Amino acid sequence: QQQVKQSPQSLIVQKGGISIINCAYENTAFDYFPWYQQFPGKGPALLIAIRPDVSEKKEGRFTISFNKSAKQFSLHIMDSQPGDSATYFCAASLTTDSWGKLQFGAGTQVVVTP
Amino acid sequence: ETGVTQSPTHLIKTRGQQVTLRCSSQSGHNTVSWYQQALGQGPQFIFQYYREEENGRGNFPPRFSGLQFPNYSSELNVNALELDDSALYLCASSLPGLEGEKLFFGSGTQLSVL
Repeated sequence: QQQVKQSPQSLIVQKGGISIINCAYENTAFDYFPWYQQFPGKGPALLIAIRPDVSEKKEGRFTISFNKSAKQFSLHIMDSQPGDSATYFCAASLTTDSWGKLQFGAGTQVVVTP
Repeated sequence: ETGVTQSPTHLIKTRGQQVTLRCSSQSGHNTVSWYQQALGQGPQFIFQYYREEENGRGNFPPRFSGLQFPNYSSELNVNALELDDSALYLCASSLPGLEGEKLFFGSGTQLSVL
């Protein structure tokens, strides 16, 4: 059973545009929601993360929006740049159970065109 | 400060063989988590080691086993390899505490089973 569902599978955005990736989760006990960025040949790298006690978190051009009642969260990449072209994964975990046990979504391949 | 390093980077095995993958955690990190990432999918949690003991396991059969050493480096062993074991194997280290949920991934070992 996939506990974190991610969409879209891929998206193409022009330079300067906004990329939006959505995730939905099943387990209401999850209390940590990170986003990871992965370039080809590399491991995932933590981009930004949020806990359910806040509805939004912004770091530079990256923003997480969190809707606890809908069990959904999303990543917005503002002013997208060609260097943002990568695969993005949402994830969720229950940190009181096992802090390293992340449930990942299937990933979204983002391509930013010049 | 050194990051997470994994060896080898690539490996080709035949069905039925056994394989050992190695991981050196980031300096000061005492927790190592292993993930399997199939092509086009998100990473799947295999297990975690904390202070040389297994601390949580995902939905993987017993032929996937691991070790953690006193210097916190770790090994992933897979016996009786199957074709479906072909994947990128990722190691991530972390340090339990205030930000213990932050995982730092290595670049992975690409395993091909023929």
